[in-house]
Amino acid sequence: EADIYQTPRYLVIGTGKKITLECSQTMGHDKMYWYQQDPGMELHLIHYSYGVNSTEKGDLSSESTVSRIRTEHFPLTLESARPSHTSQYLCASSADNRGTDTQYFGPGTRLTVL
Amino acid sequence: GDSVTQMEGPVTLSEEAFLTINCTYTATGYPSLFWYVQYPGEGLQLLLKATKADDKGSNKGFEATYRKETTSFHLEKGSVQVSDSAVYFCALKDSGGYQKVTFGTGTKLQVIP
Repeated sequence: EADIYQTPRYLVIGTGKKITLECSQTMGHDKMYWYQQDPGMELHLIHYSYGVNSTEKGDLSSESTVSRIRTEHFPLTLESARPSHTSQYLCASSADNRGTDTQYFGPGTRLTVL
Repeated sequence: GDSVTQMEGPVTLSEEAFLTINCTYTATGYPSLFWYVQYPGEGLQLLLKATKADDKGSNKGFEATYRKETTSFHLEKGSVQVSDSAVYFCALKDSGGYQKVTFGTGTKLQVIP
């Protein structure tokens, strides 16, 4: 079973606020990912990490930033939230395995910026 | 680059009907193929996977066969239940250095009693 957690599950904030979405996993996975899921359900990779102190931007440009100071923790920060940031954010992790490493997803954070 | 194309939804079926959700892909090399499922209010979870040509992945009555000649990985289930209502994502993982995962756009399935 997946042991990957996201908090908060739901967040409603005003424009201009700084927010951090938390993601933690207890599986010891090296790779972690952040996806933005639009209302049409499509997933867009916005950030990923190979391991501690490694972060890369994904396919979709995002104004958010991430950090990876510990293996188990991969928070995403928005310095100044805007209504265009309203979306579902999904965190995932996978083992650094050249085989068929499965991605394990957290339950998501639904962010609404007013 | 890699891409995954799956049939658009929503797909509405009656309980016990046969399900097919089409998925085709474009990739270099020999990707691994996956189906993920997302139930309402939850994240995605792996449903099944296949790692090489002619492999069949199966789980919970769902099946998909890796067809390299047609670059397809169609999802099937013989008799759907209301509890199968969810969004289904086809995905591939390339065999290159980063091993990036590419997801399809998702197909929403609604099963009515």
